[in-house]
Amino acid sequence: NAGVMQNPRHLVRRRGQEARLRCSPMKGHSHVYWYRQLPEEGLKFMVYLQKENIIDESGMPKERFSAEFPKEGPSILRIQQVVRGDSAAYFCASSPPGLAGGLIFTDTQYFGPGTRLTVL
Amino acid sequence: EDKVVQSPLSLVVHEGDTVTLNCSYEVTNFRSLLWYKQEKKAPTFLFMLTSSGIEKKSGRLSSILDKKELFSILNITATQTGDSAVYLCAVEAGNRDDKIIFGKGTRLHILP
Repeated sequence: NAGVMQNPRHLVRRRGQEARLRCSPMKGHSHVYWYRQLPEEGLKFMVYLQKENIIDESGMPKERFSAEFPKEGPSILRIQQVVRGDSAAYFCASSPPGLAGGLIFTDTQYFGPGTRLTVL
Repeated sequence: EDKVVQSPLSLVVHEGDTVTLNCSYEVTNFRSLLWYKQEKKAPTFLFMLTSSGIEKKSGRLSSILDKKELFSILNITATQTGDSAVYLCAVEAGNRDDKIIFGKGTRLHILP
């Protein structure tokens, strides 16, 4: 079973261009999470998606950032008109559907290798 | 191939017990090891370790790194039900090709 896949691994963009980051969850996983890690900082939650639904986008910047997880295909994190401050590592994680009747344990999230975005 | 392995995968103990979580790694150009606690959404940063033998402490949590044997441990003393979470270990590595490799996590459950 392949792990969480992210591509590209490295992405270089000039200011004002668009960046598209892709995440393919593990087989059987229907939940996807996007995180950003800025230099010298921990992971920051951005958005939580299920297939065709955004569940929680409380960590997403209000402008220029969007995410989707279509019925078919990978989840996409899209950053429009990138600025230098967007340079960071972006991680995707996936988890399986939750247990019926509530959770005893927190669902484990499996992380991808990340995409390192550099904005020139 | 770079890898980070955590053990055990899951652990159930009683409140008040002490637990030790393990993280071993094999990476090229090691830079730092990170521990996170994950409850509902975003992992919460706990420790960053870069030097061998120097213990980092925060309340009942402590962690140490052994760069010779390539592992780290996370200790939690006098556990409480609020410590129930998944604990993630990640390693920053690389020189020109920076990367962070996450382990699969240890799922800790504290019984009252």
